[in-house]
Amino acid sequence: LAKTTQPISMDSYEGQEVNITCSHNNIATNDYITWYQQFPSQGPRFIIQGYKTKVTNEVASLFIPADRKSSTLSLPRVSLSDTAVYYCLVGPLGNRDDKIIFGKGTRLHILP
Amino acid sequence: DSGVTQTPKHLITATGQRVTLRCSPRSGDLSVYWYQQSLDQGLQFLIQYYNGEERAKGNILERFSAQQFPDLHSELNLSSLELGDSALYFCASSVYRTGTFNEQFFGPGTRLTVL
Repeated sequence: LAKTTQPISMDSYEGQEVNITCSHNNIATNDYITWYQQFPSQGPRFIIQGYKTKVTNEVASLFIPADRKSSTLSLPRVSLSDTAVYYCLVGPLGNRDDKIIFGKGTRLHILP
Repeated sequence: DSGVTQTPKHLITATGQRVTLRCSPRSGDLSVYWYQQSLDQGLQFLIQYYNGEERAKGNILERFSAQQFPDLHSELNLSSLELGDSALYFCASSVYRTGTFNEQFFGPGTRLTVL
C-alpha cells in the first residue's frame, strides 16, 4: 500500500476554509484516495473518496492533481465541531489483502 | 450511530489477566476489523475477518487472538495483559466486496485500562 504523509497538526478559525494536504508519491494506478474523520473518543468515519480531479459531497471536497502524487481535503467554513483527526488512506478498492493503514493522521484544531 | 456495537465500553483489569472484547457488525456486513489506538501510536490495524475466516493480519501480538462466529459477531481475546496494552480498541465492519470501495463503519470502542 502507498505510504502517505500528512501534517501532524493544524490550527484554524471558525468560518475559514481548511485545506489538509496528503502526499502519496508512490501511489499505484489502481489506488484510490480515501479520507476518514475521527472525533475524540469515537471511531473514525468515512468522509470522502476519489481517484482523480475533484470530488465534492455535502461535507468536503477532495482535489487530486493530474499526477495523483498528492491530494487535498478541503473543509469549507469550518466550525468548532470540525475539530478532529483526519486520516488520508491510499489503496486499491476491495483488495483481498487490504491491511488498512490509518497512520497518525492530521489533528485539526478549530479556534473560536 | 454506525450500527456497530461493542461491549464493554470500559474495562479495567490487572497485568497478567485475560479479557474478551465483543463486537457485533452492522446488519448485512460480513467483514469485521479490529484496531488498537493508543495515545502515541495512532490507529493500528490488528486483524480482519470475513464471513468467519481470517482475511488479513496486521500488527497483532501473539498474546492476542480473534474469531468471528457463525452469527458474524466477533471477539478479540487479549491475554497476559501488560501495561502497554492499555488502549482504545475499535471494531469496524464492512460489506467487503472485491473491486469496490468497502467503507468501514466503526463502533464506539472499548477502552481497556491495565493496572
